[in-house]
Amino acid sequence: EVQLVQSGAEVIQPGESLNISCKTSGYTFTHYWISWVRQMPGKGLEWMGRIDPTDSETNYSPSFQGHVTISVDKSISTAYLQWSNLKASDTAMYFCARHFVFSSPASSFHHWGQGTLVTVSS
Amino acid sequence: DVQMTQSPSSLSASVGDRVTITCRASRGISDYLAWYQQKPGNVPKVLIYSASTLQSGVPSRFSGSGSGTDFTLTINSLQPEDVATYYCQKYNGAPLTFGGGTKVDIK
Repeated sequence: EVQLVQSGAEVIQPGESLNISCKTSGYTFTHYWISWVRQMPGKGLEWMGRIDPTDSETNYSPSFQGHVTISVDKSISTAYLQWSNLKASDTAMYFCARHFVFSSPASSFHHWGQGTLVTVSS
Repeated sequence: DVQMTQSPSSLSASVGDRVTITCRASRGISDYLAWYQQKPGNVPKVLIYSASTLQSGVPSRFSGSGSGTDFTLTINSLQPEDVATYYCQKYNGAPLTFGGGTKVDIK
């Protein structure tokens, strides 16, 4: 069974850095791209970026380029989303999602993590 | 970048009604279009991909159609458990943009 298990909720102060994780199991990690999706409170879904776990090739939405970094650790089948300077406006639920089509960046998302709530507040 | 415009942003219908949600792309995206359902407090779930392919396990009252720039999600015979927000998403190239969502509830 494919599973994506995300790290727990975080409460962080503005200006701090943060790394949240998405641990996968039930399939070969390097065979499918992974995307990250943001959902601000009461708002819609926003695609942030994607990564090919094979070689860490990444693509970012222009809205998030330069503000977040997506990475993987193949040895533990885990993807990461990290910030170096969080703002209050980063308060949101963040989802990781596995692409459906083998080795394709152009794919719908058929498996999702449970979400990580990040609250940025002083 | 291709923009995805969903309409309506919300609707209220009776149990048993046929519900139609539309999604328009600002440029042609062939059939690289998915529909997701997100119930309150839950993770999004794929309903339709490749514009019209029903995901395994999804009730057959859900259907998708369209190609190019205009797409439709139809719920035949709306059920109480279909109360949710529905999103379209294009995925033929970055960014993989979502539509703004359509909130569906029961009248």
